[in-house]
Amino acid sequence: ELKVEQNPLFLSMQEGKNYTIYCNYSTTSDRLYWYRQDPGKSLESLFVLLSNGAVKQEGRLMASLDTKARLSTLHITAAVHDLSATYFCALGDSNYQLIWGAGTKLIIKP
Amino acid sequence: DSGVTQTPKHLITATGQRVTLRCSPRSGDLSVYWYQQSLDQGLQFLIHYYNGEERAKGNILERFSAQQFPDLHSELNLSSLELGDSALYFCASSETSGDTQYFGPGTRLTVL
Repeated sequence: ELKVEQNPLFLSMQEGKNYTIYCNYSTTSDRLYWYRQDPGKSLESLFVLLSNGAVKQEGRLMASLDTKARLSTLHITAAVHDLSATYFCALGDSNYQLIWGAGTKLIIKP
Repeated sequence: DSGVTQTPKHLITATGQRVTLRCSPRSGDLSVYWYQQSLDQGLQFLIHYYNGEERAKGNILERFSAQQFPDLHSELNLSSLELGDSALYFCASSETSGDTQYFGPGTRLTVL
């Protein structure tokens, strides 16, 4: 069974600090996605990672993929309040459906 | 704004009733996906259509059904509703299967 585990599930941090969200998955896949969700809102695509060693960056967020370790990370650099949200990783399976992690609720305090 | 539209935004109904949720994909997208988001189950894939044909089924109950029409819009039908069906239902679309999925604003269903 394909499983996706995120940790931590909850993260409270100060502005200006760095932190990493981890996403482990149980079987091989060629697509790993990161999404952001604000409270009561829809899901916004952040990154799609397609190959081992892939690294993508957008502003203060950087995502990477290690297919051998079955691990993706989302790194936040010098966090700002606007990054407060819930972040999901999702794995694309052979049927093109997304298998989701539980989400990491990130609160960034000024 | 992702370009995916869903109606209605909110739906309140009673147990045992039937509802239809509607989704219009982004222009040019052939794939439509339906997801359910609830506090206890998280995000779960329900069903995927590509250009009118069902491609994959996930954790979709037999009481639920969907279809994609020739104009590519999709409908999710939920019948014999139960309290546990209360959730956010998202539709997503992509150009082809496997591309990044873009999500609509969701329909919040409350079953009383």
